[in-house]
Amino acid sequence: NAGVTQTPKFQVLKTGQSMTLQCAQDMNHNSMYWYRQDPGMGLRLIYYSASEGTTDKGEVPNGYNVSRLNKREFSLRLESAAPSQTSVYFCASSEGLAGGHETQYFGPGTRLLVL
Amino acid sequence: QKEVEQNSGPLSVPEGAIASLNCTYSDRGSQSFFWYRQYSGKSPELIMSIYSNGDKEDGRFTAQLNKASQYVSLLIRDSQPSDSATYLCAVNHNTGGFKTIFGAGTRLFVKA
Repeated sequence: NAGVTQTPKFQVLKTGQSMTLQCAQDMNHNSMYWYRQDPGMGLRLIYYSASEGTTDKGEVPNGYNVSRLNKREFSLRLESAAPSQTSVYFCASSEGLAGGHETQYFGPGTRLLVL
Repeated sequence: QKEVEQNSGPLSVPEGAIASLNCTYSDRGSQSFFWYRQYSGKSPELIMSIYSNGDKEDGRFTAQLNKASQYVSLLIRDSQPSDSATYLCAVNHNTGGFKTIFGAGTRLFVKA
């Protein structure tokens, strides 16, 4: 099992460009998440999907959109990239919604630089 | 006040010593607590989870939870250079919907 995979690993964008970060999991998990990690700030939740067909905003959703394409895949889209979106993006998944005892499993991350 | 607070470190300990990492949280409705290890340039990986007051041991790692004091800690016995990483505390609660809050992490250096 590959676990949680993310593409691309690294991306450089110019301000105003758009891109989609891809995430897939092969653990048959119901819930998936997108986080960003900035120095000194820990992981902050952007969006999550409790189950196939549902998505909800997290702590920092502005400037992002998501799509839960099917049970395996959860994509994050930046419509018009801004330098403030320079960060490391992690996708995670869990069997159930991580509000109780669920453990989240993380992908390898995507490093995004917006110039 | 941050919802989950950790000392950013770096915490430096000699090889073979006990490393003690601390985390405090503000929401009394929090139900489960996790410690993740993150090596530089890598993704977080789960080390320990704890849900009840007291200690939970797994090999060289012990998690301690005190809900009354809103405090969770991680002890690493016989610290090894390979334990050098950033340790993230994460707190879950589901009152009013899903919420997981991560601390900013404590950097640990184990000197050989």
